[in-house]
Amino acid sequence: SYELTQPPSVSVSPGQTARITCSGDALPKQYAYWYQQKPGQAPVLVMYKDSERPSGTPERFSGASSGTTVTLTISGVQAEDEADYYCQTADSSGTYYVFGTGTKVTVL
Amino acid sequence: EVHLVESGGGLVQPGGSLRLSCGASGFTFDRFWMTWVRQAPGKGLEWVANIREDGSEKYYVDSVKGRFTISRDNAKNSVCLQMDSLRVDDTAVYYCARCLFSGGPGVDYWGQGTLVTVSS
Repeated sequence: SYELTQPPSVSVSPGQTARITCSGDALPKQYAYWYQQKPGQAPVLVMYKDSERPSGTPERFSGASSGTTVTLTISGVQAEDEADYYCQTADSSGTYYVFGTGTKVTVL
Repeated sequence: EVHLVESGGGLVQPGGSLRLSCGASGFTFDRFWMTWVRQAPGKGLEWVANIREDGSEKYYVDSVKGRFTISRDNAKNSVCLQMDSLRVDDTAVYYCARCLFSGGPGVDYWGQGTLVTVSS
């Protein structure tokens, strides 16, 4: 089965930059999507089509793609950004979807 | 405003069945693919199934193929997940969600989820 790999955790001080990577073989061909999930809540879409921000996502969130890796960057991290983050994409056929393993962002 | 409300979760024994329902409002339901995503306790998100706007295409993660069936009733603005031959590892919060683009991954609205517990 297809897999997307993320680092289990990222720690960052307030005001600094957090970068969350997501790696998978289909990423050169398929767009990536990013979700933020806080404890006890449903996920929230924060990035789509690699680098497009939905309305409501703060400008400090940005996305980029390079080969088999996509990156979600949070510039000027705030305490409210502490959450789990998941990437998502489709397999190379575009038929089956998969989520990344998830990254816990801790704001020190 | 878009609203998705799941129902039907609960406790079921291994081998049993459960039917989850999701009522949608605030958007033109028959213009969107719909999907189910689950999350086991303390674990990550897992895509389960999705269904085309008119119900003509359905796709499932390998682990539920042949056991789960996704369906929709556009007249009632609802999508369902029939779960048969349930296993302990199907225990999870099940989210109903609206797909952002036709036939593609990406979800823009989620329900609050319904908990399914499979245990003897």
